[in-house]
Amino acid sequence: DTAVSQTPKYLVTQMGNDKSIKCEQNLGHDTMYWYKQDSKKFLKIMFSYNNKELIINETVPNRFSPKSPDKAHLNLHINSLELGDSAVYFCASSQGTWGYTFGSGTRLTVV
Amino acid sequence: GENVEQHPSTLSVQEGDSAVIKCTYSDSASNYFPWYKQELGKGPQLIIDIRSNVGEKKDQRIAVTLNKTAKHFSLHITETQPEDSAVYFCALTQGGSEKLVFGKGTKLTVNP
Repeated sequence: DTAVSQTPKYLVTQMGNDKSIKCEQNLGHDTMYWYKQDSKKFLKIMFSYNNKELIINETVPNRFSPKSPDKAHLNLHINSLELGDSAVYFCASSQGTWGYTFGSGTRLTVV
Repeated sequence: GENVEQHPSTLSVQEGDSAVIKCTYSDSASNYFPWYKQELGKGPQLIIDIRSNVGEKKDQRIAVTLNKTAKHFSLHITETQPEDSAVYFCALTQGGSEKLVFGKGTKLTVNP
């Protein structure tokens, strides 16, 4: 059973489009995150949600809107995609700082 | 914000040798220090972690040491194998926050 699963694995889209990435965790964790990994492999947090409530928002453009329908799901919607949004996006979950687990990533390419 | 300096950025060793990666930080409130291994096309995978009340932790060929006074922590891999080749990231959280701050990664290559 995959602990943190995100879909799709690959996403190629044109500039200006709107797209969503979905994430689900079956670990029973209270906190979920979105991280962005750029072309130089640098990992940086974007958002975190604890029990469906937004906890961290790290100066991310408001074109990015996370949504957590329940504590097992955290989706990321991106409006008006730009070339600079191309990256690998990772979902993660944890219980406090225990059991911090990442998904396998979504490679977003904006053309 | 908190910065984590990770060195070296690339490391090449012969199979069977040891590999050491070091990270330094500045905020003494940091209290959780995990290490992640990322293989090509995969997400970061936790390989070992240490909390601020412990100085050293070992799990088979992998060990982590923490020096809170000097504000650095290190990953030690002994008897390296080709399958240890990957990018390794150190990370930390600060007191009261669950946000992970990552180092910039070390690309480890183990040559057979």
